Amino acid sequence: EAGVVQSPRYKIIEKKQPVAFWCNPISGHNTLYWYRQNLGQGPELLIRYENEEAVDDSQLPKDRFSAERLKGVDSTLKIQPAELGDSAVYLCASSPPPGQGLTFGSGTRLTVV
Amino acid sequence: AQKVTQAQTEISVVEKEDVTLDCVYETRDTTYYLFWYKQPPSGELVFLIRRNSFDEQNEISGRYSWNFQKSTSSFNFTITASQVVDSAVYFCALSEWGYGQNFVFGPGTRLSVLP
Repeated sequence: EAGVVQSPRYKIIEKKQPVAFWCNPISGHNTLYWYRQNLGQGPELLIRYENEEAVDDSQLPKDRFSAERLKGVDSTLKIQPAELGDSAVYLCASSPPPGQGLTFGSGTRLTVV
Repeated sequence: AQKVTQAQTEISVVEKEDVTLDCVYETRDTTYYLFWYKQPPSGELVFLIRRNSFDEQNEISGRYSWNFQKSTSSFNFTITASQVVDSAVYFCALSEWGYGQNFVFGPGTRLSVLP
């Protein structure tokens, strides 16, 4: 069984440029998460989807961040425009029914210069 | 509100020593799940264990063991006879049933096992 697939693995962009990250969750996992992990810290939730519905986006900086999961499968997270403080690892995770653990992808390490 | 505290920022031990990583959580829910994840230098978060709030039985898996105590809101993780490959950042996480599947992670404990 394939795990959670994320791309790209690394991304370096100049500030004010746009960037997008892609995630394909494990087949059958209806819940998809985007987390941001700053250096030396734990993952922090950006947005959670149940199928195609964003059920928790309270921590998503909506002025510059957007996400979509149009068909309830893969998802895209976008930042426009990027700021220096957005440098972090962006993690995608998925989970089966409630109570199960999250399975994480390898993450995308974003560096904004 | 749900919160997870890992007071130990960094721990260094010598190989073969036992080490315990502490985790204290806060929740208003009576039904919740606790997790431990390992993040090796490669960066990918790896699931280690899940425990629900109704099951306080301690668990052992090889050199790993977990001690869940609701009375002190703690879910501690012990590695027996540590090995260099155990060097990683370890995260404790909480998921409250009443809040859907929202997972909150602690800040992590960086474990260094020296040869």
